[in-house]
Amino acid sequence: DIQMTQSPSSLSASVGDRVTITCRASQIISNYLNWYQQKPGKAPKLLIYAASNLQNGVPSRFSGGGSGTDFTLTISSLQPEDFATYYCQQSYNTPYSFGQGTKLEIK
Amino acid sequence: QVQLVESGGGVVQPGRSLRLSCAGSGFTFSSFAMNWVRQAPGKGLEWVALISFDSGNEDYEESVKGRFTVSRDNSKNTLYLQMNSLRVDDTAVYYCARGEGFGDFDYWGQGTLVTVSS
Repeated sequence: DIQMTQSPSSLSASVGDRVTITCRASQIISNYLNWYQQKPGKAPKLLIYAASNLQNGVPSRFSGGGSGTDFTLTISSLQPEDFATYYCQQSYNTPYSFGQGTKLEIK
Repeated sequence: QVQLVESGGGVVQPGRSLRLSCAGSGFTFSSFAMNWVRQAPGKGLEWVALISFDSGNEDYEESVKGRFTVSRDNSKNTLYLQMNSLRVDDTAVYYCARGEGFGDFDYWGQGTLVTVSS
C-alpha cells in the first residue's frame, strides 16, 4: 500500500503570506495526486487534481506541483477563508490513501 | 447542481449491522464511480470503498474487507454501504464522494455519523 506523508502537520501564518505544504508518497505515483481543503464540520472540497490542475471554481491563488513522489500545494496570498485543514490523496492505485493532514492556523 | 445526500447513520452496538445510503442528483449517476470515505472523530480522512459506474468492480480498504459491502442502484441514483460486524473503531463520519477520471473525488455529501458503542 502507498503511504502519504504531509509536512508540516500544522502551520501558523498570516493573511497575505505565501505558504507551501508538501506531500511525499512512499512510491512513485506519477501525477496521481489530489489536494483537498476541509473546514470544521464540513465535507472536504477538491482543490487540485492530477497534481497541478485547478478544480473549477477554486481561486487561482491555489496551485499544485510535483510528480513522482514529491508534491506541493502553494497558496500565494493567504485569505481569511483559507484557514482550514489540507489533505493530499493518491489515486495511483487502491487502496487510495490520504496524507495525515496539515492544519493551517492564523498567526 | 450536483448533490449527494447520505442517510442511515446512527448508534449501533458492536457486532451489529447498519446500511448507509447516498442519494445522488444533478448529474448522470450511472456514469460515475462512487466512493465511501470516513473520518473518525478528530482524525484524518480514510478511503473505505469504491464501486465502478456499472457495479462491475468493487474495492475495499483492508480493515473492512469481508465486513462491508458497497453496492449501487442506478435506477434509483443511490449508493449503499452495508456494514456488518461493526467494531468500535468503525465509529466515524461516513461520506460518499463522486469519483472522477483521475481518481479524485470532486463532489462529496455532507456525511452521516456512525457511532459503534455498547
